Amino acid sequence: GNSVTQMEGPVTLSEEAFLTINCTYTATGYPSLFWYVQYPGEGLQLLLKATKADDKGSNKGFEATYRKETTSFHLEKGSVQVSDSAVYFCALSDRRAGSYQLTFGKGTKLSVIP
Amino acid sequence: DAGVIQSPRHEVTEMGQEVTLRCKPISGHDYLFWYRQTMMRGLELLIYFNNNVPIDDSGMPEDRFSAKMPNASFSTLKIQPSEPRDSAVYFCASSLAGDRDAEAFFGQGTRLTVV
Repeated sequence: GNSVTQMEGPVTLSEEAFLTINCTYTATGYPSLFWYVQYPGEGLQLLLKATKADDKGSNKGFEATYRKETTSFHLEKGSVQVSDSAVYFCALSDRRAGSYQLTFGKGTKLSVIP
Repeated sequence: DAGVIQSPRHEVTEMGQEVTLRCKPISGHDYLFWYRQTMMRGLELLIYFNNNVPIDDSGMPEDRFSAKMPNASFSTLKIQPSEPRDSAVYFCASSLAGDRDAEAFFGQGTRLTVV
């Protein structure tokens, strides 16, 4: 079956530090990959996505590249801000293999301190 | 569109009581998902519907849980009887079938506490 493994937090960084959150996946087909973000007390929001190998998703300064050879989709940001404090989820869906739901990693809590 | 709307936002109930969570998906979306979020298990898919028909309910923990989607704009998740271990945040999400890479849009969740 499909699964997602991401680094467990919590992660605490100072403002303007570089961020990497690792994510690897297992899928039977050729999945689409996503990063979702959850701010305190809210639902999940899509941060970025990539649908095929070597695609780079980007949004709000965050980036992730779909690496089929290493089955990875690591999230990076060059300079984090306090407002980036949230929980980040890596996820996949594989509609082409008939899997319509999102499979999530366990989430990584990021705290950015001034 | 107002997005996915869930109600109530918070629910506190006593063990043994029936709890009903409600969801209104985004208009035009034909997939609807119910997820449960806990610290221990993260985000778990409970059930999902396509065009109001349940497709996969293998994530429903036990017979105390049931879900319905009587029409395209409304779904319920019912727990009867509720137990303290059901305490969690329950999310509803919807997406569009036609876009094979479509994102799912989440509601703000219902925080359920069973005492």
